[in-house]
Amino acid sequence: DAKTTQPPSMDCAEGRAANLPCNHSTISGNEYVYWYRQIHSQGPQYIIHGLKNNETNEMASLIITEDRKSSTLILPHATLRDTAVYYCIVRPRTGTASKLTFGTGTRLQVTL
Amino acid sequence: SAVISQKPSRDICQRGTSLTIQCQVDSQVTMMFWYRQQPGQSLTLIATANQGSEATYESGFVIDKFPISRPNLTFSTLTVSNMSPEDSSIYLCSVEYSGDQPQHFGDGTRLSIL
Repeated sequence: DAKTTQPPSMDCAEGRAANLPCNHSTISGNEYVYWYRQIHSQGPQYIIHGLKNNETNEMASLIITEDRKSSTLILPHATLRDTAVYYCIVRPRTGTASKLTFGTGTRLQVTL
Repeated sequence: SAVISQKPSRDICQRGTSLTIQCQVDSQVTMMFWYRQQPGQSLTLIATANQGSEATYESGFVIDKFPISRPNLTFSTLTVSNMSPEDSSIYLCSVEYSGDQPQHFGDGTRLSIL
């Protein structure tokens, strides 16, 4: 699996957009970018995933660069409840389930 | 998304004993997985629970230590055998419907060994 690089921590003021970067420079053509987050004492929560086009859902937006070597997860209006560890994961599209390889993630702290 | 229930949610055990963790899903799923999260660390995959056959273990994990069952498409168990303090971790179950769909996780079992 391709590896990802994320900053270890970030701060964001409540109400502002949180932009979480991820570098995946060795990603291959059949690999998706997935984002999960883990709020304290809970299991990881799926946020969004994409292949090459930008994606948006009710939780967040995912911006993938044209060369697919990096991406940004955007939480448009961060709240205190968005404080969590955010994981960027690259995963092959195989048609069958494949494991998720978690890195160390970015610890996002949303403050008043 | 799937509703995933893990039991117990937490436990404190004596060293040398074994504990079986249950994972129940509210609908049939293709794949079930077991992960471990050691204190302050990220998640590591232990094994893939295969319905009707032996689980597929990742490097560093063996069946004798972590026996897994999956009798049907909605249920799996993970046993942590002959526990030592180093086994103190959160154990998480995840499920997936198909290869192009996201995995969903339970809230885990927080295990402490004295």
